[in-house]
Amino acid sequence: EVKLLESGGGLVQPGGSLRLSCAASGFTFGSYALSWVRQAPGKGLEWVSGISGRGGRIHYTDSVKGRFTISRDNSKETLYLEMNSLRAEDTAMYYCAKSPGMIVVRLGWFDPWGPGTLVTVSS
Amino acid sequence: DIQMTQSPSSLSASVGDRVTFTCQASQDINYYLNWYQQRPGKAPNLLIYDASNLTTGVPSRFSGSGFGTVFSFTISGVQPEDSATYYCQQYEDLPITFGQGTKLEIK
Repeated sequence: EVKLLESGGGLVQPGGSLRLSCAASGFTFGSYALSWVRQAPGKGLEWVSGISGRGGRIHYTDSVKGRFTISRDNSKETLYLEMNSLRAEDTAMYYCAKSPGMIVVRLGWFDPWGPGTLVTVSS
Repeated sequence: DIQMTQSPSSLSASVGDRVTFTCQASQDINYYLNWYQQRPGKAPNLLIYDASNLTTGVPSRFSGSGFGTVFSFTISGVQPEDSATYYCQQYEDLPITFGQGTKLEIK
């Protein structure tokens, strides 16, 4: 069974940093692109970033460019999101999600998703 | 960015009803359109991919159609467990974008 499990969320002050992790199991990790998708409280879904299977291609949504860094360690089957210069508007549940293929240009659909980890940016 | 507009924003239905939601893209996205169900407090769950393909294990009362800029999602015979918010998502271009969601309430 394919599983994803996020961790690393918590309360952080504006301007602070946080590193999220997503541990994967049940599939050949390095063969699939992965993404981070977030959802602010009571709001809709927003794609944040995606990374190709081998980690060579990365894309971000404009609002996080220069502040967030996505990476993966295929030997540890883990996806990461390093978040710096956090703002109140980054407060959200952060989900990692698997794509059906390896490339980022055509990420396709997201299946499955992890249960999410909550990031709260507040003083 | 490609804008995805869902309608209606919310809908109330009785058990057994047939309901249809729509999703409109701001530009041609071919068939690169997916549908998700999200129950309160849970992660989204993929129901339909590439506009009309049913994910394995998803009940056949769910269906999708469309191409280009206009897409529809139908539940034929709503069940109590279908109470959720439904999102469309395009992957024709980056950034990936989602619709704002349609909240389905069961009377």
